[in-house]
Amino acid sequence: DTEVTQTPKHLVMGMTNKKSLKCEQHMGHRAMYWYKQKAKKPPELMFVYSYEKLSINESVPSRFSPECPNSSLLNLHLHALQPEDSALYLCASSQIGLAGARSGANVLTFGAGSRLTVL
Amino acid sequence: GENVEQHPSTLSVQEGDSAVIKCTYSDSASNYFPWYKQELGKRPQLIIDIRSNVGEKKDQRIAVTLNKTAKHFSLHITETQPEDSAVYFCAGKGFGNEKLTFGTGTRLTIIP
Repeated sequence: DTEVTQTPKHLVMGMTNKKSLKCEQHMGHRAMYWYKQKAKKPPELMFVYSYEKLSINESVPSRFSPECPNSSLLNLHLHALQPEDSALYLCASSQIGLAGARSGANVLTFGAGSRLTVL
Repeated sequence: GENVEQHPSTLSVQEGDSAVIKCTYSDSASNYFPWYKQELGKRPQLIIDIRSNVGEKKDQRIAVTLNKTAKHFSLHITETQPEDSAVYFCAGKGFGNEKLTFGTGTRLTIIP
């Protein structure tokens, strides 16, 4: 299995809803990432988990709450979102964290994304 | 932190011609520079990457060059084909850093 799988593909939610995005990989990767991508913009890093521990939080508002239950799974819990949070949310993984210097181990593999619309 | 600038923002090339996209970076300690291709509605996919200990890397029609002194790196696509049409993002990563900083993207259109 060489893929990162994200569910759901599309999500529409109201500002008072609570929902979650899920990400799964079975490549044995030990680093997982959440990125946010607005239309015609590059991916923006939100969170990094390395060996199931949160290693980077890019000052993301608390209405986004990440969770890494085990080395294969990454969740993003959503609560009280704003319309401007509508975007494509991309999960990615890499063999080890990007800080590691081992050649080939830093390659990010992205999932297909979850397109979120907040009404 | 790292800052990556990318030019041009759009590029149209006749099929069969070459395309070149350039990026500059700010952190002289950066040591890893990948290029991602993102087709409309799809995920970003790595097409080639280069580390700071080499100056050039090729993979069939795609090549990347790195000039550490000038702090810039470029993507070269030769014999372009319609399926090369996509948005291309460069990125840079500082030494010992967990974060990949992306350029603003180049929309490449191959004209048949």
